[in-house]
Amino acid sequence: GAVVSQHPSRVICKSGTSVKIECRSLDFQATTMFWYRQFPKQSLMLMATSNEGSKATYEQGVEKDKFLINHASLTLSTLTVTSAHPEDSSFYICSASQTAAQETQYFGPGTRLLVL
Amino acid sequence: SQKIEQNSEALNIQEGKTATLTCNYTNYSPAYLQWYRQDPGRGPVFLLLIRENEKEKRKERLKVTFDTTLKQSLFHITASQPADSATYLCALFVNTGKLIFGQGTTLQVKP
Repeated sequence: GAVVSQHPSRVICKSGTSVKIECRSLDFQATTMFWYRQFPKQSLMLMATSNEGSKATYEQGVEKDKFLINHASLTLSTLTVTSAHPEDSSFYICSASQTAAQETQYFGPGTRLLVL
Repeated sequence: SQKIEQNSEALNIQEGKTATLTCNYTNYSPAYLQWYRQDPGRGPVFLLLIRENEKEKRKERLKVTFDTTLKQSLFHITASQPADSATYLCALFVNTGKLIFGQGTTLQVKP
């Protein structure tokens, strides 16, 4: 149980285009979903926290107009990287928590984004 | 400033030995500390959670200790196997409901 999927697993896009990444909790309802970014050999950095039906809370330094998060249901959250640039190339990982305590987060397999 | 530090150098050990990884932190008061395994190009996989009032936790060949005075957690893998080779991340669960990750230590177990 507690499986989280992400789609796509890899995406290559041209600079200036927008890319949408989906995060789904397959066998549980996620109270909260989190989006992280990880650069090579670096730690996971939390970008934003989202609860179903409400606006996402963004971490300091993360542009909310560039990284649009929609949490439309208890099993689906999407991250849209708008007007992507090469510096947005990274590994994007979502996680989902099934309790309000958020004690345990279940992570997706990640999405590798390459912006040319 | 707040920091989480894991040894950035890879740890190389021989199969069958015990691997010990360290996680130190400063200026945090975590309610919990967690350890994750991450394979290349994959998301982290949860391994163990230890609470602030627990000294030690075990799960099969894994053991975690948590010393809130030293602000340190040790992660042990006994009887290590080549399949244990991966990057291991510690993460602090702070009172804002967020997980703060260390940069991870890569373990390489040689047959």
